Amino acid sequence: GAGVSQSPSNKVTEKGKDVELRCDPISGHTALYWYRQSLGQGLEFLIYFQGNSAPDKSGLPSDRFSAERTGGSVSTLTIQRTQQEDSAVYLCASSPPRLAHSRGTQYFGPGTRLLVL
Amino acid sequence: AQKVTQAQTEISVVEKEDVTLDCVYETRDTTYYLFWYKQPPSGELVFLIRRNSFDEQNEISGRYSWNFQKSTSSFNFTITASQVVDSAVYFCALSRLSGGGADGLTFGKGTHLIIQP
Repeated sequence: GAGVSQSPSNKVTEKGKDVELRCDPISGHTALYWYRQSLGQGLEFLIYFQGNSAPDKSGLPSDRFSAERTGGSVSTLTIQRTQQEDSAVYLCASSPPRLAHSRGTQYFGPGTRLLVL
Repeated sequence: AQKVTQAQTEISVVEKEDVTLDCVYETRDTTYYLFWYKQPPSGELVFLIRRNSFDEQNEISGRYSWNFQKSTSSFNFTITASQVVDSAVYFCALSRLSGGGADGLTFGKGTHLIIQP
């Protein structure tokens, strides 16, 4: 079946502009995660959605970052007033329901490469 | 707090040699998951293995094997008879179990494995 998809693949924006990154999880997966990968910080967890529960936002670096998940499927990560240090690859992952054998295993999308000029 | 340490930043071996990638973790949780992911030059994170904290049985999959030792908080990864296609960055990761699956991953910094022909 189809894997996790993310759009756009690449995004170039100017400092101060807002950006939206989209993630389509694997069909049937109930959990969705956002991470970012940068040279300086490595792979960092940002936010986690599990079904209809309140999201775990503990990894969001500032209040400029927010995410929502509509209808328990597609998710959008929004970065407001972008800064140059926001430049990174933003990765989305999804994992199967709790009763699945592979529950807890996260499958990653190809990422969105964000460059803030 | 959780922490994953991959002390080997870069390893270079000649094809057909065996190579072991080290991973040491810290957690206060009694139940958790451990993972290995591969990131080839294309950039996408590829899931390799998940291990539950209550299952210390070692696992072999083809040329890959994993040695989980709870007593030393280590989860090492060995590639036997390495091949050029194994060249990639390998990440060890840890997550806490939660009601619906697992929380966000804590990643190590990664080990860049170079297999020379």
